[in-house]
Order: sequence, then C-alpha cells, then structure tokens
Amino acid sequence: DAGVTQSPTHLIKTRGQHVTLRCSPISGHKSVSWYQQVLGQGPQFIFQYYEKEERGRGNFPDRFSARQFPNYSSELNVNALLLGDSALYLCASSFRGQGSETQYFGPGTRLLVL
Amino acid sequence: GENVEQHPSTLSVQEGDSAVIKCTYSDSASNYFPWYKQELGKGPQLIIDIRSNVGEKKDQRIAVTLNKTAKHFSLHITETQPEDSAVYFCAASAGFQKLVFGTGTRLLVSP
Repeated sequence: DAGVTQSPTHLIKTRGQHVTLRCSPISGHKSVSWYQQVLGQGPQFIFQYYEKEERGRGNFPDRFSARQFPNYSSELNVNALLLGDSALYLCASSFRGQGSETQYFGPGTRLLVL
Repeated sequence: GENVEQHPSTLSVQEGDSAVIKCTYSDSASNYFPWYKQELGKGPQLIIDIRSNVGEKKDQRIAVTLNKTAKHFSLHITETQPEDSAVYFCAASAGFQKLVFGTGTRLLVSP
C-alpha cells in the first residue's frame, strides 16, 4: 500500500515568490496535517484539515494557507516567501483526525528560499 | 500552550547497549504520546506510541513508559543495532491532532 506522498520533493524559490506544496494521504484517510521542520529542530504544526474543513491552525502568519479537496488530498500555499521559510514541509495523514489517532508522515518537500 | 522538552540532544552507545531518551510535557490535558524515528532525508516514522490510560507499552526491543503525575515519558531501546542510528523525536497531543514535538535526540550506535 502507498504511504503518504508529497510533491515536489525539492523546490528552490526566491524571496517574495509564492509556492504550492501537494500531499496525498494514505488511501482511506480523511485527515491531513501540515508541519514545518526547520533544520535541527522538531516539526511544528501548521494546519489540520478533516473532510475539507480546517480543524486547527498553528502559530504561523496569514501568508500560510491550505485547503483539502474532495479526494482528501491537500495543498499548502505560502505567499511572499521569506528566507526563514526555508524548511522541510511535512504532510501527515490519519483516518478520522481524532486527537489520539496515529499520524503517518510523508517524506516531505524540502523548500529553499534564496 | 504545550511545551515538550527532550533529553539528551545526542546519545552515543555501543552496539548491544541500551538507550534511554526522556521527555517532559507541560499540558496536563495531553493524552497521546508518540515517538518518531527520522533518518536523513526522510520523514518521521512512528516507532511506538502510548495513550494516557496506559503506563507502559512494549514492542520487541522498544518500550515506552508514561508517568502522568510527573508529566514525563521515556523511550527505551534495548540491544541497540547500528540501524537504530537516527534522530528520535517525542511528541505530545491534547485534544485535536496538533502534535507538539521535542527538539530531537541524535542516537549513534557504534559497531
């Protein structure tokens, strides 16, 4: 069975540009969460979506937005990129998005902002 | 909000030794505590998790203990092998699926 997939694997952008990252959850999973992992640190929660509705939002600026599609895949959008947005962006999926449910992570998209 | 502290930041052991990583959390409402292993260039992989109604859980060479009173939980790896070398993260969750991660422990197992 396929796990969580993310695209692209790597991306280079310049300051001020916009980026869209994509995630496909494990088949049958209806919840997707996004995390940002800066080099040398643990992942930080950005968003959770369940059944196309935003369920939670972390402490990130409005430049970050996301959405979930009817097939449960998701996009993370970041506008007006800053150098500090350079990080590994991780997507995680779970079946029902319940608090104590296991989240399975994808391989991530590595974003470099120059 | 929740804060998770993790120690040590690096841990070097000889193959066959045991390794212990400790985490403390601040939010008494947290009820789910997963441990993830992250290898270079990969996403975090769940290795074991524990929920607040259980004090200990074991899966082959890996065990996790939880002390809700003291608000700390630990990962124990016995009979370590070189392939256990990676960065390990603890995390805590209260309510919805916002995982708050520790800062990570780099485990190096020398043959």
